Amino acid sequence: KNEVEQSPQNLTAQEGEFITINCSYSVGISALHWLQQHPGGGIVSLFMLSSGKKKHGRLIATINIQEKHSSLHITASHPRDSAVYICAVKGGNTGNQFYFGTGTSLTVIP
Amino acid sequence: NAGVMQNPRHLVRRRGQEARLRCSPMKGHSHVYWYRQLPEEGLKFMVYLQKENIIDESGMPKERFSAEFPKEGPSILRIQQVVRGDSAAYFCASSPQDSGGYTFGSGTRLTVV
Repeated sequence: KNEVEQSPQNLTAQEGEFITINCSYSVGISALHWLQQHPGGGIVSLFMLSSGKKKHGRLIATINIQEKHSSLHITASHPRDSAVYICAVKGGNTGNQFYFGTGTSLTVIP
Repeated sequence: NAGVMQNPRHLVRRRGQEARLRCSPMKGHSHVYWYRQLPEEGLKFMVYLQKENIIDESGMPKERFSAEFPKEGPSILRIQQVVRGDSAAYFCASSPQDSGGYTFGSGTRLTVV
């Protein structure tokens, strides 16, 4: 079983829809990251969270430490949001390891 | 601020050759992480380094792989005697401290033929 589980694996939405991607983890963490990987392969760090909620433009990320769960929301989705969204946590036995979810592939249709 | 620079972007090696992947962290960042993304798989942690120190290499294969982050110059991920299974995208990320914000490089795509 992976230390980080994401759902859904694939998501297709119409432009303008509200999107939610979920992440659950099973290890102790010091921080959780949401990453975006575009078809060209480059990775962008969207958020780093250790508690509560963060907002950047149309993106909102929340984390519930007690439930070991995080969500990434995209409001008013746009085709340029199409990408793979990856949840990653830093923690584990050494506290230095990163564990990655397998990613959610999002396609936003005009 | 040029961000995290990885080079080369693409690297082709024949089986048995050595591959050297470079990562120049953002200015002021002294922590570097290397990750590998195998085809059709997710990212996997390999190694975490600070200047002149390997902090955690628990994700790195014991043989043929090594990493360094010297006092001067980029971090180097070295793969000796490459095999086809080493073909992957290798990403590095840097941060100013172990709990700071992370910036990823664009990756090096290694193809072993």
